[in-house]
Amino acid sequence: NAGVTQTPKFQVLKTGQSMTLQCAQDMNHNSMYWYRQDPGMGLRLIYYSASEGTTDKGEVPNGYNVSRLNKREFSLRLESAAPSQTSVYFCASIESPATNEKLFFGSGTQLSVL
Amino acid sequence: SQQGEEDPQALSIQEGENATMNCSYKTSINNLQWYRQNSGRGLVHLILIRSNEREKHSGRLRVTLDTSKKSSSLLITASRAADTASYFCATARASNTGKLIFGQGTTLQVKP
Repeated sequence: NAGVTQTPKFQVLKTGQSMTLQCAQDMNHNSMYWYRQDPGMGLRLIYYSASEGTTDKGEVPNGYNVSRLNKREFSLRLESAAPSQTSVYFCASIESPATNEKLFFGSGTQLSVL
Repeated sequence: SQQGEEDPQALSIQEGENATMNCSYKTSINNLQWYRQNSGRGLVHLILIRSNEREKHSGRLRVTLDTSKKSSSLLITASRAADTASYFCATARASNTGKLIFGQGTTLQVKP
């Protein structure tokens, strides 16, 4: 099993450019999440999808949009990238939100916005 | 704002010593989890303790939870150089099904 797969691993954007971060999981999990990790800030939740067809804002949703394409895939889009969005982005999944147990993480996307 | 705050921010010990990390949180929780992150990698789940549990063990890991003080500790016994990583606590609030809130992490260095 691959688990949670994120693409790309690295990306450099110019201010104002757009891009989509892709995430797919092969564990048949119901819920998926996007976090960003900044030095000294830990991980902060951007958006999550409790189940296929639903999405909800997390702690820091401004400047981002998400799409839960199907049960496997959850993408994160930056419509107009800003330097403040320079960060490492992690996708994660969990079998059931009701149990709140054991997130599985991807290996991350390191994004730099110049 | 972050639910969890961890202490210390950084810890450096010799191989064979024990490492203790602490996590404090602000609101009532359903469970508290600890994760490990090696440099440049994603987080890996280590252990979960529920709000009605006080202590849990997994191999060389021991986690305690004090809900009256809203705090938890992670003890790694007989540390190894391979334990060098960042460790994060994450809380699942009873009212926020499906959302885990992470602390800022403790960076552990184990010197051989």
